[in-house]
Amino acid sequence: DAKTTQPPSMDCAEGRAANLPCNHSTISGNEYVYWYRQIHSQGPQYIIHGLKNNETNEMASLIITEDRKSSTLILPHATLRDTAVYYCIVRVKGSQGNLIFGKGTKLSVKP
Amino acid sequence: GAVVSQHPSRVICKSGTSVKIECRSLDFQATTMFWYRQFPKQSLMLMATSNEGSKATYEQGVEKDKFLINHASLTLSTLTVTSAHPEDSSFYICSALVPRWVSQPQHFGDGTRLSIL
Repeated sequence: DAKTTQPPSMDCAEGRAANLPCNHSTISGNEYVYWYRQIHSQGPQYIIHGLKNNETNEMASLIITEDRKSSTLILPHATLRDTAVYYCIVRVKGSQGNLIFGKGTKLSVKP
Repeated sequence: GAVVSQHPSRVICKSGTSVKIECRSLDFQATTMFWYRQFPKQSLMLMATSNEGSKATYEQGVEKDKFLINHASLTLSTLTVTSAHPEDSSFYICSALVPRWVSQPQHFGDGTRLSIL
């Protein structure tokens, strides 16, 4: 699986959009970008994934650059409950192996 | 949607005690489950891969005789920490590989906080 790079921490004001970047410059053509988050003392929670088109669901939006070397997870209206560590993982769809977690980005949403 | 249940959520016990943690897939069959360990302020690290009906595959540095894994059915994998010591105190998380997954590749349990006194 390709390696990803994320900033260690970010702050966001409550109610504002949180934009979390991820670099994956060595991503290959058949690898998807997945985002998980881990709220303190809980297991990771799936957020969204994409290949090359922008994706949106009830939790977030995922913007992938045209060259696919980076992406941004957008939480449109962050709340205090969105405070968590966010992990960007690159993965071949259908792979049977474990997920490899980097250090992620610690997002702190402040009132 | 699919859910993975992990039990117990928290254990506090004396040094030398053996502790069993259960991981259940509630509405799907999981032929493969993964056990992770997470120390404070660190990321999840894979301990072992549990396959139904066969021996678990352990990561380098993880003692298979200390961390016993049993995956006897398609919905249950257990991790037993034998003769636990304070250095085994950690957050243990299981996940289940979703069969023919279309969206998310794995569902995670909510973790077990193990504290050895």
